[in-house]
Amino acid sequence: QLQLQESGPGLVKPSETLSLTCTVSGGSISSSSYYWGWVRQPPGKGLEWIGSIYYSGSTYYNPSLKSRVTISVDTSKNQFSLSLRSVTAADTAVYYCALEGDWPNYWFDPWGQGTLVTVSS
Amino acid sequence: EIVMTQSPATLSVSPGERATLSCRASQSVSSDLAWYQQKPGQAPRLLIYGASTRATGIPARFSGSGSGTEFTLTISSLQSEDFAVYYCQQYNNWPPITFGQGTRLEIK
Repeated sequence: QLQLQESGPGLVKPSETLSLTCTVSGGSISSSSYYWGWVRQPPGKGLEWIGSIYYSGSTYYNPSLKSRVTISVDTSKNQFSLSLRSVTAADTAVYYCALEGDWPNYWFDPWGQGTLVTVSS
Repeated sequence: EIVMTQSPATLSVSPGERATLSCRASQSVSSDLAWYQQKPGQAPRLLIYGASTRATGIPARFSGSGSGTEFTLTISSLQSEDFAVYYCQQYNNWPPITFGQGTRLEIK
C-alpha cells in the first residue's frame, strides 16, 4: 500500500525559502509513469495545486507560483521535494504531497497527512 | 485557466436524507473530474474520478454524474460520517490543475 509522508520545518521566516520533502513508501517513485504533486491549503480555505513532477523529472507548475517554485525528485531516496522561495504570510498553509497518477488520470490519490508551515518572523 | 465553481457553499441536510452537491467548470472538462471529501484535520480523500467512477473502498451511496461543464455529487442517504467538506477538481486542461472552493455539508 502506497504511503506518502511530508517532512520539513514548520516555521519559516518571511523572504526565506520553504523546503519540504515527501517520502514515498510501499512502492518505487520511479517504477511507473506517474506524476507526483504538491497541493496546499491555507487555514480555513480551499485547495490550491502548486505543481507536479513526472517520475523522469519533468515538471509543471501553477502559473501563479511558477516564478518561486521548484519541485525535484530523488529516486535513490524515493523522495520528491518542494522549494518555495521568497515566502510571505500568504504562503502559510498545510502542504500536502500526493500521487497524481499517469496519463490521462490526473487525480490525487493517495495523499500524505499534510504538514503545516507557518511563515512568521 | 479553468475555474471550478461549487454550489452551494454550505448545505444543511438531515441524516438519512439525500444530498446533492454541484460543480460547474468555466469551460468543458469532458469527464475529467474528481471529487474529494475532507474532514477536519485530515487530508482530502478521493471519492470519485472520471466524473462517475467510485474510488476503491468508497460506499455505493456516493455517486457522481455529469460531463462537460456541469457535475453533481450525490450522497443517497447521509450517514454521520459524511458530514465534511467536498471539493471537485478538473484535470482535463492543465496546468494548472484547479479545484472548486468547496461545499461544506453540515447536519441539519
